[in-house]
Amino acid sequence: KQEVTQIPAALSVPEGENLVLNCSFTDSAIYNLQWFRQDPGKGLTSLLLIQSSQREQTSGRLNASLDKSSGRSTLYIAASQPGDSATYLCAASFGNEKLTFGTGTRLTIIP
Amino acid sequence: EAQVTQNPRYLITVTGKKLTVTCSQNMNHEYMSWYRQDPGLGLRQIYYSMNVEVTDKGDVPEGYKVSRKEKRNFPLILESPSPNQTSLYFCASSLGSPGAGNEQYFGPGTRLTVT
Repeated sequence: KQEVTQIPAALSVPEGENLVLNCSFTDSAIYNLQWFRQDPGKGLTSLLLIQSSQREQTSGRLNASLDKSSGRSTLYIAASQPGDSATYLCAASFGNEKLTFGTGTRLTIIP
Repeated sequence: EAQVTQNPRYLITVTGKKLTVTCSQNMNHEYMSWYRQDPGLGLRQIYYSMNVEVTDKGDVPEGYKVSRKEKRNFPLILESPSPNQTSLYFCASSLGSPGAGNEQYFGPGTRLTVT
């Protein structure tokens, strides 16, 4: 069964620190992996999409990596800000017609 | 502005009363999908559509119907809602299938409560 896991479920970090969010998946035959941000009561905003042929993608202070052999992706956030507080979800496509989602990591940046 | 819209955003209803949640996208996307989000379970796919008049079941289709008569619209229909369908629902769209590397765009969500 193809599964996506995010640990920890919640994380608190002082403002200004760099941090890493983790995402693991059970099937190395991954097509792509997408990171989303979800604010309370709102929809999902796509942050980064990594194709299976890529190792990383960057957007501003965000960097996402993909290691198929180890079944892991990480989202690195540099110089964290209170506005980064949200739930971060990763989702993988294994070649079928859907995304398989992790349950998310709720990030709190402490001013 | 490119977007996916859903209506209503919030809905409280009673068991057995048919309801429809609308979804519309203005990006000329071929692929559309419905997910439900429940605590501890993450997002799970209900139905998806590869194109007009083409729909298929996702992981949790029981109790739901969909239709795709036009490219831009993909309504979710609950013929006889039950309390276990209380959830947060998301519509999503993309140029093509997620399996082909297409980025998904999500609507703002519809919070449904069935009493």
